[in-house]
Amino acid sequence: ELKVEQNPLFLSMQEGKNYTIYCNYSTTSDRLYWYRQDPGKSLESLFVLLSNGAVKQEGRLMASLDTKARLSTLHITAAVHDLSATYFCAVDRGAQKLVFGQGTRLTINP
Amino acid sequence: GAVVSQHPSRVICKSGTSVKIECRSLDFQATTMFWYRQFPKKSLMLMATSNEGSKATYEQGVEKDKFLINHASLTLSTLTVTSAHPEDSSFYICSARGSVAGIHNEQFFGPGTRLTVL
Repeated sequence: ELKVEQNPLFLSMQEGKNYTIYCNYSTTSDRLYWYRQDPGKSLESLFVLLSNGAVKQEGRLMASLDTKARLSTLHITAAVHDLSATYFCAVDRGAQKLVFGQGTRLTINP
Repeated sequence: GAVVSQHPSRVICKSGTSVKIECRSLDFQATTMFWYRQFPKKSLMLMATSNEGSKATYEQGVEKDKFLINHASLTLSTLTVTSAHPEDSSFYICSARGSVAGIHNEQFFGPGTRLTVL
């Protein structure tokens, strides 16, 4: 059974700082996704990572994938308040059936 | 492109009643739709997968007679929560996968439906 674990689950940081969210998964998969969720809202797609060594960047967020280590990271550079949200990684267990991590609730303080 | 809508966005009902939630792909044909459930401050759990014109596939532990799913067309799937009880209160999110030009390997999420059962 595929398990997906994120850490940390809660992260409070100051604006301007850098930090990394980690996503570990237990069995081989072809695809890993990162999503953002704001309170009371649905999911916003951030990144799709398809291959070992894949790195994608959008603004202050950068995601990477190491399929051998079964690890993905979401790195936040010079955080700003607008990035406060809950971030989920999700792993495709086949036919795009996704198993989600627990989510990381990120709070960025001025 | 790749917009998915849900209706209603919020619903409050009495215990014992049934509630239908619609999920529509607005600008693409969705060969597969997924239904997820999210409890407050928790993660999303896949409930079932529906393919157009065939029976839904339910995840282990999800009662198919309680959560009726119909995917009658390439743009519409419905989830009916039958004889709802307070423990069914949750945020229900659908997603759709299909042929979207230039975008592969993704499913597109609807805005969610918050169900409260009194």
